[in-house]
Amino acid sequence: GENVGLHLPTLSVQEGDNSIINCAYSNSASDYFIWYKQESGKGPQFIIDIRSNMDKRQGQRVTVLLNKTVKHLSLQIAATQPGDSAVYFCAENTGGATNKLIFGTGTLLAVQP
Amino acid sequence: NAGVTQTPKFQVLKTGQSMTLQCAQDMNHEYMSWYRQDPGMGLRLIHYSVGAGITDQGEVPNGYNVSRSTTEDFPLRLLSAAPSQTSVYFCASSYRASGGIGTQYFGPGTRLTVL
Repeated sequence: GENVGLHLPTLSVQEGDNSIINCAYSNSASDYFIWYKQESGKGPQFIIDIRSNMDKRQGQRVTVLLNKTVKHLSLQIAATQPGDSAVYFCAENTGGATNKLIFGTGTLLAVQP
Repeated sequence: NAGVTQTPKFQVLKTGQSMTLQCAQDMNHEYMSWYRQDPGMGLRLIHYSVGAGITDQGEVPNGYNVSRSTTEDFPLRLLSAAPSQTSVYFCASSYRASGGIGTQYFGPGTRLTVL
């Protein structure tokens, strides 16, 4: 049935501050991780990815950190802007023969001007 | 390139009706997937395909069928719609990277309501 009343975790930040969005993944065999941004009424949009042989990867204003020991992934957004307001999802590729991409439940980032 | 396209954008069905959600991509991607997204939740994988003629089940396959007769198209069929299938459906495609799938590109979604 429906998960009535289920709310997304929300991170509220001031414009110009740095944002850190966290994600715990489930499968220790996952070898590839992706962060997606989803704006209201749109499909997810790729932000940055990282393979399991790395622990940090940087893009433009974004950095992804991977801690395989505790199965934790984070997305850091520098100098957060109002246009960054969206729901952010992490996803893990379970790898091997399945090649399935499993998504987390998402975090709503609200940027206050 | 048009990327990933989905039709229709909106659909209302009555319980028991059948329909097909269309998905097409023009990027020559091998991998295609269907997800559903319910309010306040992440995307859940319904079915996926690693190439023409090959499909497999995801997390929530019950009530849905797929086929992949061409590289470009990956339709999702609801054989007998139920209210529990009310959701937003996203199609995605990706190239085949070493060690697994590459970056997935998503379509704009189909919002389905089953009464």
